[in-house]
Amino acid sequence: DADVTQTPRNRITKTGKRIMLECSQTKGHDRMYWYRQDPGLGLQLIYYSFDVKDINKGEISDGYSVSRQAQAKFSLSLESAIPNQTALYFCATGSGSSYNEQFFGPGTRLTVL
Amino acid sequence: LAKTTQPISMDSYEGQEVNITCSHNNIATNDYITWYQQFPSQGPRFIIQGYKTKVTNEVASLFIPADRKSSTLSLPRVSLSDTAVYYCLVGDLGKDSNYQLIWGAGTKLIIKP
Repeated sequence: DADVTQTPRNRITKTGKRIMLECSQTKGHDRMYWYRQDPGLGLQLIYYSFDVKDINKGEISDGYSVSRQAQAKFSLSLESAIPNQTALYFCATGSGSSYNEQFFGPGTRLTVL
Repeated sequence: LAKTTQPISMDSYEGQEVNITCSHNNIATNDYITWYQQFPSQGPRFIIQGYKTKVTNEVASLFIPADRKSSTLSLPRVSLSDTAVYYCLVGDLGKDSNYQLIWGAGTKLIIKP
């Protein structure tokens, strides 16, 4: 969905480097999420935010941090990347009373060497 | 945590109706059942959500028995473009919930001509 954009789309980095993944949305949604997906597996929730001042850890937040700079922007940082953080990362948004209905971005493929 | 069990893969033919069943024996009272579709290198796309009985929208139907320990996603008259991975999720992402939505490995559906 072009309403949710992620940058970069692909990134290769080295162990120990700091990296930031960015997500922007034009849908006007108040809720935003970061997920990671490992090959052949489902998604795991890293962090989620109900609004700019409400940020919460998901099931696998260790090694990650986030920043909700504005309603439309939600960034994910890896302070010191490690190889097992190699994965596909998705940003998603949501709004209204249907909390389980989320709109996903195209994903960022991250490789940590 | 509510877990789901789905077939790893299924195949069918164009024009057929496809039913994918998901088992969720430990579903909680407040949990909803949600299905997503994912194409390679894309983010998941919401298909349908339900709590009990039957839900139908323009692309699928969701059948949920009274005990809610399983659910069946029904795709009418599939085409080649329905080839994708389908995820069954149970949980509740609402703000006053435990905020748990478990993604399994999904069902890889292959549609043949």
